[in-house]
Amino acid sequence: AQSVTQLGSHVSVSEGALVLLRCNYSSSVPPYLFWYVQYPNQGLQLLLKYTSAATLVKGINGFEAEFKKSETSFHLTKPSAHMSDAAEYFCAVTDSGGYNKLIFGAGTRLAVHP
Amino acid sequence: DAGVIQSPRHEVTEMGQEVTLRCKPISGHDYLFWYRQTMMRGLELLIYFNNNVPIDDSGMPEDRFSAKMPNASFSTLKIQPSEPRDSAVYFCASSVPQGFGAFFGQGTRLTVV
Repeated sequence: AQSVTQLGSHVSVSEGALVLLRCNYSSSVPPYLFWYVQYPNQGLQLLLKYTSAATLVKGINGFEAEFKKSETSFHLTKPSAHMSDAAEYFCAVTDSGGYNKLIFGAGTRLAVHP
Repeated sequence: DAGVIQSPRHEVTEMGQEVTLRCKPISGHDYLFWYRQTMMRGLELLIYFNNNVPIDDSGMPEDRFSAKMPNASFSTLKIQPSEPRDSAVYFCASSVPQGFGAFFGQGTRLTVV
């Protein structure tokens, strides 16, 4: 079965600094990969997705992620953090048994300091 | 479209009571998922449906949990009897096929006392 590892349960950055949230997946076949964001007391919102097209994927709110097959990674980045980016971020991968079942990582809580 | 709609948003119940959570998926979505989120276990997939048919219920924790999808616009997750360890946020999500990602509802926060 697929699995997702998010390195760092908590990440703290200063406003204006680079945001880097790490995600590694286990897969023997190219998966579909996703990043979701969850604000307090809200559901999960899709930030971006990789579905075997361009390896650099741009999403909403200035986030982007790069699929690196050789490293089995799909790290999320944003050049300049904003206070409103403070939230929990989840990386997800489609299960090898079907492209509609998502397996989620444990999440990374991003704090942004002034 | 209003998105995935879940009700109620909050539910507090006593141990042993039956709890029913409801979900209306996005119109036209063929897949519906029920997830549970806790601090200890993160996001767990409980069950998912395709065209109203349960496909994988391997995540349902025990027989106290059951889910139905009587039609394309409605699903329920039932816990009977409820226990304090069932306290969690339960999310419903829906999607179209081919890995376009799932769209989540706002969740139901369940507290069993």
